[in-house]
Amino acid sequence: DAGVTQSPTHLIKTRGQQVTLRCSPKSGHDTVSWYQQALGQGPQFIFQYYEEEERQRGNFPDRFSGHQFPNYSSELNVNALLLGDSALYLCASSLGPGGREGYTFGSGTRLTVV
Amino acid sequence: GDSVTQMEGPVTLSEEAFLTINCTYTATGYPSLFWYVQYPGEGLQLLLKATKADDKGSNKGFEATYRKETTSFHLEKGSVQVSDSAVYFCALRSGNTPLVFGKGTRLSVIA
Repeated sequence: DAGVTQSPTHLIKTRGQQVTLRCSPKSGHDTVSWYQQALGQGPQFIFQYYEEEERQRGNFPDRFSGHQFPNYSSELNVNALLLGDSALYLCASSLGPGGREGYTFGSGTRLTVV
Repeated sequence: GDSVTQMEGPVTLSEEAFLTINCTYTATGYPSLFWYVQYPGEGLQLLLKATKADDKGSNKGFEATYRKETTSFHLEKGSVQVSDSAVYFCALRSGNTPLVFGKGTRLSVIA
C-alpha cells in the first residue's frame, strides 16, 4: 500500500522563477493538504484541496497556488520565488477534509532558492 | 488563534535516560492533541494522540496525557534508545481546522 509520494525530492531554483511540486496521496485518500516547513521550524499550513477545490487556506500570499486532479493528486505552484521560500514542502493526505482517521505525510520536497 | 509552544531543543540524553518534552497549547474549544516524530530525511509520522481531557495517548513506550487544567500535553518515555533520536512536534487540531504545529524539539540520544 503506497503512502504519500512527493516529487521531486530536491530542487534548486533562482529567485524570481516559478516552481511546481507534486503529490500523490495515499491509496484511498481524497484530500491533500500542503505545509511549508522552514529550517528549524514546525510545518505551517498553506492550503487544502478536496473535490478539486481549495477548501482552506493559511496565511500565505497569492504567489502560492495549487490544483487537485480527478485522481486526487495535487500540485503546489509558487510564482516569483523569494529567498525566504526556501523550505521543506510537505504534502499530507487524508480521507475527507476533516482528517478524522488521521493524516499521512510524504517525505517532502526540499526547495532551495538562490 | 490556536497555537502550540514546546520546549526548545536540542535535548541530548544518554541511552536509558528518562525523557520529558514539554508542550502547552492555546486553543478555542476542545482540540485534539498530537505528537508527531520526524526522522532524518523523512516526513512526519504520527506518534500518539489524545482527543479529550485526561486521555492518555501511548505508542512505542512514549506517552502523553491531555491536561485541560494546565493546557499541556507533555511527551514522556521512561528509557530512551539511540533509535529515538529525531525531531518531535506537538500539534493540535480544533474541529475541521488544519493541524497547528509547535516548532519542534530535536532529541539526540547517545550510547
